[in-house]
Amino acid sequence: AQSVTQLGSHVSVSEGALVLLRCNYSSSVPPYLFWYVQYPNQGLQLLLKYTSAATLVKGINGFEAEFKKSETSFHLTKPSAHMSDAAEYFCAVSESDSWGKLQFGAGTQVVVTP
Amino acid sequence: EAQVTQNPRYLITVTGKKLTVTCSQNMNHEYMSWYRQDPGLGLRQIYYSMNVEVTDKGDVPEGYKVSRKEKRNFPLILESPSPNQTSLYFCASSLLGGMANVLTFGAGSRLTVL
Repeated sequence: AQSVTQLGSHVSVSEGALVLLRCNYSSSVPPYLFWYVQYPNQGLQLLLKYTSAATLVKGINGFEAEFKKSETSFHLTKPSAHMSDAAEYFCAVSESDSWGKLQFGAGTQVVVTP
Repeated sequence: EAQVTQNPRYLITVTGKKLTVTCSQNMNHEYMSWYRQDPGLGLRQIYYSMNVEVTDKGDVPEGYKVSRKEKRNFPLILESPSPNQTSLYFCASSLLGGMANVLTFGAGSRLTVL
């Protein structure tokens, strides 16, 4: 069975500062991992995904995430926050024995201050 | 424009009054899924469909029904809505189901059951 834990339901960062959003997963088999972003009053859209190729994954809008098997983590980072990064971010995991099921974390709301 | 369209976007109803939330995609996707989003819980899968006439339960199917008679449509039916079904609902689709599927989300349907 798979599960996803996002540490911190709210994160406040200053414009220009590092954004770090934490995601840990539990999975009995090698997982596929995703980060989605939800802007206010919109649906979710994909930021990036890990599918067992390179462990450092680059996504849209300057975000990247690193898969660390030993730590069962898939943390999302961006070197310099922009006001437009204010949104809710969701980590998600998919497993081969859960065909069709995508398990989402509880989400992290990011606030960017001037 | 490639998209997932949900209707209605906002609905207030009363306990026990049957309602249907429609979902339609124009991308010829085989896989479709319904999620509900609640504060602090992230997105939880209600039902999903791998193809026409093929549906399966997600993590929170109680109180919901679905059907997939056509590839493009995947309506969510609440036969007898209750207040605990007040939530934000998202429909999503992908080209194929499976571990690596990247979902395209609709804009969401906010349902209030009084």
